[in-house]
Amino acid sequence: NAGVTQTPKFRILKIGQSMTLQCAQDMNHNYMYWYRQDPGMGLKLIYYSVGAGITDKGEVPNGYNVSRSTTEDFPLRLELAAPSQTSVYFCATTTSAAYNEQFFGPGTRLTVL
Amino acid sequence: KQEVTQIPAALSVPEGENLVLNCSFTDSAIYNLQWFRQDPGKGLTSLLLIQSSQREQTSGRLNASLDKSSGRSTLYIAASQPGDSATYLCAVSSIGRTGGSEKLVFGKGTKLTVNP
Repeated sequence: NAGVTQTPKFRILKIGQSMTLQCAQDMNHNYMYWYRQDPGMGLKLIYYSVGAGITDKGEVPNGYNVSRSTTEDFPLRLELAAPSQTSVYFCATTTSAAYNEQFFGPGTRLTVL
Repeated sequence: KQEVTQIPAALSVPEGENLVLNCSFTDSAIYNLQWFRQDPGKGLTSLLLIQSSQREQTSGRLNASLDKSSGRSTLYIAASQPGDSATYLCAVSSIGRTGGSEKLVFGKGTKLTVNP
C-alpha cells in the first residue's frame, strides 16, 4: 500500500501560469483534504471532499479549484499562479467521519516567481 | 471561529528529560483532538487521537490529555531522546453537518530539539 501519494514533489511556476497538483490514495477512504503550510505556520485547509462528486471550501479556497471524480484521486488546480501561493501543499485522507485520523502525503513544495 | 494555540513555539531540552507541550482551543465543541509529528521537509504523522469523550491516550513514551471544558490539551513525552526532535502540531476536529468529524483546525506547532 502506497497510502497517500503526491506529485510533483517540487515545482517552480511563473506568475500567471497554471498547474495541477496530483493526490492519490489507495486506502479506499471517502474523505480527502488539501492543506497549505506556510513557513512557521500550521496547516490551513483549502478544500475538502467527503466523497466522489462532493467538494467543499475550506478556510483559504481563493485561487484554487478541485474536482473529485473518483474515490482515489483529488487534484488541486491553480489557474493563475501568484507569489502568495508559494507554499508547501499537503493532501490528506481519513478513515471516516466517526474517527477522522488523518493520513498525510509527503507534500508538494511550490514556488511562484 | 475555532482557534488553536500552541505554547511554547520552540523548546530545547537535554536528552532524558520529561517534557510537556501545550495546546489550547477556543471552541470546546470539538469532535476529537489529534497530535501530529512533522520532521523537516516531510509530511505529518499522526501520534495520538483523543475523542471528545476521552480524557487521555497513551502510546509508548507519549501521553496526551484532553480537558474539553477548559479548552486544553497536553502532550507529555517521557525520557526524551534526540530522535524526538521534530515539530509537534495539535489539531482539533469540528463537528460536521453529518454529525461526525469533517475538518481539522491546526495550531502553529512547537519545534522540539532534544540535545544529546
